[in-house]
Amino acid sequence: EPEVTQTPSHQVTQMGQEVILRCVPISNHLYFYWYRQILGQKVEFLVSFYNNEISEKSEIFDDQFSVERPDGSNFTLKIRSTKLEDSAMYFCASSLRRQRRNTGELFFGEGSRLTVL
Amino acid sequence: QQQVKQSPQSLIVQKGGISIINCAYENTAFDYFPWYQQFPGKGPALLIAIRPDVSEKKEGRFTISFNKSAKQFSLHIMDSQPGDSATYFCAATTDSWGKLQFGAGTQVVVTP
Repeated sequence: EPEVTQTPSHQVTQMGQEVILRCVPISNHLYFYWYRQILGQKVEFLVSFYNNEISEKSEIFDDQFSVERPDGSNFTLKIRSTKLEDSAMYFCASSLRRQRRNTGELFFGEGSRLTVL
Repeated sequence: QQQVKQSPQSLIVQKGGISIINCAYENTAFDYFPWYQQFPGKGPALLIAIRPDVSEKKEGRFTISFNKSAKQFSLHIMDSQPGDSATYFCAATTDSWGKLQFGAGTQVVVTP
């Protein structure tokens, strides 16, 4: 069964350092997303990406964050200068269509745990 | 602003019992309400979903009940099994670019 894969599974970094989280979405999917989950809290939307540009972003997704699809398979999330509060599990997701009328199921990866010290 | 409120936070049910998780939403523009199941160390996985023009949807042992006027929806897990032990998230979205608004999650433990 096709799946979304994420690397690394866990990254520890010092505050102020740059971090890149990588994702390989399901191959025929067209829409890509990043969500995050701070420990013990709900899953929060960060950004959606379609046709090589951001479709929508949340208030969390400030100038410190960026996304990129550098080639035909990878989808990356970069945090330019990490803060303590960026510590969370980051989930990549992909879908074949927009999330609408039961036809846009999001498939999530297993997540990348980011710990900022 | 908490757009989707979920309760209870945790739930313990005996094998064979019924698990009930409730969610309430505020935004009347929401038009798609999925439930996701998450096992430890895994990402959320779609379990079942409903649109507001339907009051109930059943898939196997999982049923969503939807009350549009009350802006509430719930997940019922019938004949709960130990393998159902997981965290369940309700979510809602408008016709947007995959921006799911998740509830806070309910940790369900099914005892043998």
